[in-house]
Amino acid sequence: DTEVTQTPKHLVMGMTNKKSLKCEQHMGHRAMYWYKQKAKKPPELMFVYSYEKLSINESVPSRFSPECPNSSLLNLHLHALQPEDSALYLCASSQVGGSGGELFFGEGSRLTVL
Amino acid sequence: AQSVTQLDSQVPVFEEAPVELRCNYSSSVSVYLFWYVQYPNQGLQLLLKYLSGSTLVKGINGFEAEFNKSQTSFHLRKPSVHISDTAEYFCAVSAPSGNTGKLIFGQGTTLQVKP
Repeated sequence: DTEVTQTPKHLVMGMTNKKSLKCEQHMGHRAMYWYKQKAKKPPELMFVYSYEKLSINESVPSRFSPECPNSSLLNLHLHALQPEDSALYLCASSQVGGSGGELFFGEGSRLTVL
Repeated sequence: AQSVTQLDSQVPVFEEAPVELRCNYSSSVSVYLFWYVQYPNQGLQLLLKYLSGSTLVKGINGFEAEFNKSQTSFHLRKPSVHISDTAEYFCAVSAPSGNTGKLIFGQGTTLQVKP
């Protein structure tokens, strides 16, 4: 069983919709990540939160808005997405400054934008 | 800056045969190295990692990898594969400095195990 839980597993939305992806971990990790993965490609880093503060934004369009309400939760708010944003969105967590950067991934939320 | 090259995009192999998935990295500083596996429609799972110490690293599911600093390689091996090993394999690198485990992934290798 994965220790990083993502909901929903599947999401279909129109370009005018507003939706959110949610991620939860209970491993005491203080770093959390959002990755985007297209088919047959490696994950691409989007955002990193460290101690609930945004530390890395990889030049992600503003239609993606991350939020870290507390040390266990990470959200990704979606608004006015484009069909090319359809992908698997992976959440991950890690210790800060420890474990050599080992990330623990959730199973992902598969997003389809119509 | 670091980069990772996985030399084979697809590796077909028969069940119970040995397999090697190749990974080379480039970095001007010391790095940590990882292999992750992704089964269809799932997230990534850590197979093994090299942080320091012994250059031969053993992981889950019978996989092992050897860190070769002079050749900047971290190849993944398994002596006898099973159908269930069919998956996408990603080599990744991170730099020890900094407070976040930012991973740089290779392009991935699809392991296709045939009966």
